[in-house]
Amino acid sequence: KNQVEQSPQSLIILEGKNCTLQCNYTVSPFSNLRWYKQDTGRGPVSLTIMTFSENTKSNGRYTATLDADTKQSSLHITASQLSDSASYICVVSGTYNTNAGKSTFGDGTTLTVKP
Amino acid sequence: DTEVTQTPKHLVMGMTNKKSLKCEQHMGHRAMYWYKQKAKKPPELMFVYSYEKLSINESVPSRFSPECPNSSLLNLHLHALQPEDSALYLCASSQPGTSGNTIYFGEGSWLTVV
Repeated sequence: KNQVEQSPQSLIILEGKNCTLQCNYTVSPFSNLRWYKQDTGRGPVSLTIMTFSENTKSNGRYTATLDADTKQSSLHITASQLSDSASYICVVSGTYNTNAGKSTFGDGTTLTVKP
Repeated sequence: DTEVTQTPKHLVMGMTNKKSLKCEQHMGHRAMYWYKQKAKKPPELMFVYSYEKLSINESVPSRFSPECPNSSLLNLHLHALQPEDSALYLCASSQPGTSGNTIYFGEGSWLTVV
């Protein structure tokens, strides 16, 4: 069964600090892995997307890594800001030529950044 | 700003009402999706349209009826809903057939069934 597990479930950090969120998956065959940020009451916004051959991808203060061998990904947030408070969702697609197919969503990590 | 537009942003309806949620995208994507999201849970896939044809229906009750009039528009018709159907309904789009396709989400429509 395809699964995506995220940890921690929730995290509280002080403004300006760094943090790392984890995503482990069992989706196979692997196509791509995406990280989304979802503010409360709003739709998810894509942060990064990585395919099999990509190990690292950055988007501003967000850096995602992917180890396709161990089926692990991380999202590192540098110099956190109050606006980073949100839910971060890891989404894995398991079909190469996905004809708008299914993706497997993690339960998300709720990040709270405090002043 | 999201390039997937959903209307209305908020909808309150009675259990005997008929209403519709609308979604529009102009990115040329040929795949469009409806998701349902409850509080503190990830989005759950409901329907997928690929090239204007329904390709996935995740055993959604018939009180939800999707419609894809053209490649830019996606509707979700609602009839005889239950209070437990109250949720955030997200529309999304992507370009099928590519390994690196990002799914773009709209801001969602908050539905309350009373």
